[in-house]
Amino acid sequence: EVRLLESGGDLIQPGGSLRLSCATSGLAVTSNYMSWVRQAPGKGLEWLAVLYSDGTTYYADSVRGRFSIFRDTSKVYLRMSSLRADDTAVYYCTRDPRDGRSFDYWGQGTLVTVSS
Amino acid sequence: DIVMTQSPDSLAVSLGERATIKCKSSQSVLHSSNNKNYVAWFQQKARQPPKLLVFWASARESGVPERFSGSASGTDFTLTISSVQAEDVAVYYCQQYYTIQYTFGQGTKLEIK
Repeated sequence: EVRLLESGGDLIQPGGSLRLSCATSGLAVTSNYMSWVRQAPGKGLEWLAVLYSDGTTYYADSVRGRFSIFRDTSKVYLRMSSLRADDTAVYYCTRDPRDGRSFDYWGQGTLVTVSS
Repeated sequence: DIVMTQSPDSLAVSLGERATIKCKSSQSVLHSSNNKNYVAWFQQKARQPPKLLVFWASARESGVPERFSGSASGTDFTLTISSVQAEDVAVYYCQQYYTIQYTFGQGTKLEIK
């Protein structure tokens, strides 16, 4: 069974930095396309970044230059800097199976609150 | 970026009735290599992550009930629930994954009348 588990969400002051983690079981992060998607309170879904199996990364315009997606052998991470109030959201880790379908596995999410 | 516009923002349907949710993309999301529209539909229930229902605009994900179906006409996409059940109360999102800058619609909230 595939499971994704995010962690690292916290209350952080504007301008601060934070690193989110996504631990996986049942799939290897190094051989999958992994993305981060966020959802502001009461709002819709926003794709943020993807990390390909070959290490290529892409970012949404809204976070490029501030957020960075990377991995080690077992986890995917999202490093966030220069955080703003509008970065407040639940952050989800998700997998793109690259077989024609879209995101098939999602974690439960971790809440990031940016506030002074 | 490709903009996905859903309608309506919310709808209330009686149990057993049909629900229709529409989504329009700002440009074609039809991949010429396989003639597939790269549109997915997700269901998000309260306090849960999204769940993939439909991909390629009309292909049902494994395990999804047959009452859920998707269709496409040009840049217009539709998710239909043929006979709404109580457990279908959720917010539904369309998404294009034709370009790397994946984008979602704003969501449609389905309630029971």
